[in-house]
Amino acid sequence: QVRLQESGPGLVKPSETLSLTCTVSGGSVNNYYWSWIRQPPGTGLEWIGYIFSSGNTDYNPSLRSRVTMSVDTSKNQVSLKLSSVTAADAAVYYCARVPVEKVRGLTMLREASYWGQGTLVTVSS
Amino acid sequence: DIVMTQSPDSLPVSLGERVTINCKSSHSVLYSSNNKNYVAWYQQKPGQPPKLLIYWASTRESGVPARFSGSGSGTDFSLTISSLQAEDVAIYFCHQYFITPLTFGGGTRVEIK
Repeated sequence: QVRLQESGPGLVKPSETLSLTCTVSGGSVNNYYWSWIRQPPGTGLEWIGYIFSSGNTDYNPSLRSRVTMSVDTSKNQVSLKLSSVTAADAAVYYCARVPVEKVRGLTMLREASYWGQGTLVTVSS
Repeated sequence: DIVMTQSPDSLPVSLGERVTINCKSSHSVLYSSNNKNYVAWYQQKPGQPPKLLIYWASTRESGVPARFSGSGSGTDFSLTISSLQAEDVAIYFCHQYFITPLTFGGGTRVEIK
């Protein structure tokens, strides 16, 4: 059974960098996209971006200037860094596994069926 | 960006009644090469991550009760719970995974009347 576990500081100061790790167990990070999604308290879901196991990334344009994702296949982990945080970045952060499939030579995403439990990040001095 | 607009925001329903949640996408999410709609529905309960219920607009995820069904194509989609059970109280989100940035609907809160 695939399990995803997010970890990282629960409190980040304004203007600093938020750093989170998603550790994958029961499966490999290889050959999947790994999405980061966040959810401010009491509100909806926002896709931050994803990274493929090869290192290819695609970020939400709304956050692109502040986001960096990386993958460590030897540790079976993916990581998220979000710089210059403000109160608006306070949220529960989830990682999710996104399979892909080839359709007439084009890579298409599949639905994210495995999600971590999420980790709450508060932004405060 | 593809905007996913869900309605209603909140839905009080009696146990055993039928529930229908609507989701409209600002652009078609139907891929002509495989005739699939890249829409999923998730259920989220307090303190839990979203749980996948439906993918490709109408395919039920393994283990999801048959009372949950999805329908629609192109830009208009629906999630139906045929007979509401107490354990179905949750927030439901639609989601398009056709084009990045991936986007979600605002959510519909289903509660017991």
